[in-house]
Amino acid sequence: AAGVIQSPRHLIKEKRETATLKCYPIPRHDTVYWYQQGPGQDPQFLISFYEKMQSDKGSIPDRFSAQQFSDYHSELNMSSLELGDSALYFCASSLREAGELFFGEGSRLTVL
Amino acid sequence: RKEVEQDPGPFNVPEGATVAFNCTYSNSASQSFFWYRQDCRKEPKLLMSVYSSGNEDGRFTAQLNRASQYISLLIRDSKLSDSATYLCVVKPWDTGGFKTIFGAGTRLFVKA
Repeated sequence: AAGVIQSPRHLIKEKRETATLKCYPIPRHDTVYWYQQGPGQDPQFLISFYEKMQSDKGSIPDRFSAQQFSDYHSELNMSSLELGDSALYFCASSLREAGELFFGEGSRLTVL
Repeated sequence: RKEVEQDPGPFNVPEGATVAFNCTYSNSASQSFFWYRQDCRKEPKLLMSVYSSGNEDGRFTAQLNRASQYISLLIRDSKLSDSATYLCVVKPWDTGGFKTIFGAGTRLFVKA
């Protein structure tokens, strides 16, 4: 069965650069979530989209933005990168009513 | 107080042991409940949903107590491969849709 696809899997950037992460949800899933997970920490919710509209907002920095496109894929844009942005970024998708989140394998961002 | 709280870990148990995790939630409007398993540097994976009547999947049993606002996960006959972090996830209904709240996770080490 198709799963959540994230790209790139690994990304290395310098401070103050920008980065874009992409997420392709499971077909027919209408909700996409972005999470940030630092070493030894639980996943921190950043933002979610339902039917291409922002549905909930968590601890997403103002330097970050995200959107969901007409084909339901989502992109997380990160600007003015800081060392503290180094983390695993997970995307997940769900059918809103069903509730279960299915996660992609994550994108590992390293900021040098 | 955090919206979702889990037993502090780590739990260190021998193979074959039975281990139980608890998770409490503060929002009485919570509608959906899940246990996820996360291996080091991997994405969280759905272990099981938690239903009001309780549910079992092989060696794993999940219970929900709405009156006391907690859910539990019981693992019988622990295997080395059960070593992971177990995340409690609660989905309360909020205006416009469901929120998804993760607990901080409980680390389990199963030793030979």
